[in-house]
Amino acid sequence: QVQLQESGPGLVKPSQTLSLTCTVSGGSIISGSYYWSWIRQPAGKGLEWIGRIYYTGSTSYNPSLKSRVTVSVDTSKNQFSLKLNSVTAADTAVYYCARTTVLYSNYIDYWGQGTLVTVSS
Amino acid sequence: DIQMTQSPSSLSASVGDRVTITCRANQTISDSLNWYQHKPGVAPHLLIYSATTLQSGVPSRFSGSGSGTEFTLTISSLQVEDFVTYYCQHSLTFGQGTRLEIK
Repeated sequence: QVQLQESGPGLVKPSQTLSLTCTVSGGSIISGSYYWSWIRQPAGKGLEWIGRIYYTGSTSYNPSLKSRVTVSVDTSKNQFSLKLNSVTAADTAVYYCARTTVLYSNYIDYWGQGTLVTVSS
Repeated sequence: DIQMTQSPSSLSASVGDRVTITCRANQTISDSLNWYQHKPGVAPHLLIYSATTLQSGVPSRFSGSGSGTEFTLTISSLQVEDFVTYYCQHSLTFGQGTRLEIK
């Protein structure tokens, strides 16, 4: 059974960088069948895709966040990470990591439990 | 960029009702459309992928249809546990969400 677990600070100051890591267990991140994604949900709002990465390091980002986002992968640790810089209160959200299929319709079949990140001084 | 428009944003219904949620793309996306159920406090859960395929373990009262630019999620007989929020998704874009409320 594949499991994903987010980790990182729950509180980030405005203008600083939000950093999260997702640890994958029960399966290898070096799989040609999956992308590894970050998704967020601000309180009271809908789901927003942040970006995704393939094990080779190839990335795709939400155009609205692209200038501030970096997603990276560490295959030796079976982890992938998110960095979002210059954060504001609008970046306060529950952040999810997820596994996304490459084939078919790019659906998400496994999610982390989500972690709340609050941007506040 | 492909935009996804989901409607309605909220829907009131009763247990046992049949309901339909719609997702429209601003250009053709073939059958590349997925549906998720999202309960408060937990991660979203895949219901339907590739527009019409029921994910393993999902009750058969859920069904998906459509191709091209218009897609629907139908719940044939609402149960109490179905009164939560639903999202469509294509590639890196989610629909706005539909909150299902008990009438």
